[in-house]
Amino acid sequence: AQRVTQPEKLLSVFKGAPVELKCNYSYSGSPELFWYVQYSRQRLQLLLRHISRESIKGFTADLNKGETSFHLKKPFAQEEDSAMYYCALSGPSEGKSTFGDGTTLTVKP
Amino acid sequence: ETGVTQSPTHLIKTRGQQVTLRCSSQSGHNTVSWYQQALGQGPQFIFQYYREEENGRGNFPPRFSGLQFPNYSSELNVNALELDDSALYLCASSLGTGTRIQYFGAGTRLSVL
Repeated sequence: AQRVTQPEKLLSVFKGAPVELKCNYSYSGSPELFWYVQYSRQRLQLLLRHISRESIKGFTADLNKGETSFHLKKPFAQEEDSAMYYCALSGPSEGKSTFGDGTTLTVKP
Repeated sequence: ETGVTQSPTHLIKTRGQQVTLRCSSQSGHNTVSWYQQALGQGPQFIFQYYREEENGRGNFPPRFSGLQFPNYSSELNVNALELDDSALYLCASSLGTGTRIQYFGAGTRLSVL
């Protein structure tokens, strides 16, 4: 069964500090991994996907197949990064997406 | 380009009743997925519709059913409501199936009393 685990419910850092949101997954095969973000009073939206290998708003995420992880990182957190972050996976040809339970990131001034 | 819209925004029902939630997909998108999000949890996949056919289903009982229309809008129907069905129901649209970027609606908050 496919599963996504985000071990931290809450994460708090100071502005300018590095931040890492952890995501571990289990899946038989090669999944596609995503990070979605939900800012206050906004809808859920895609932040980045691993196949794009891009940096969005200073965030990057590397897929580590050996450790089955897809951690989200940013070297210098900003207050506007405060939000709920969800890690998700999908099979290459599946309709189903599996989400973790999310991590609430708070960046303090 | 219009985004994903869901109606109604809030709904209160009593146990045993039936409910229909609606979703209009983003312009040009032919795939709609439905999710249930309980408080403090991530979205849980209910099912997906692609070109009016069900394309994948999560671990939800048959009393959760859906439809997709020729214009790609969709409905989620839940029969015999239970207290545990109280949740935020999210609709997401995408172009095609599989690993596609999903665009989410704001959700419908369902309360079952």
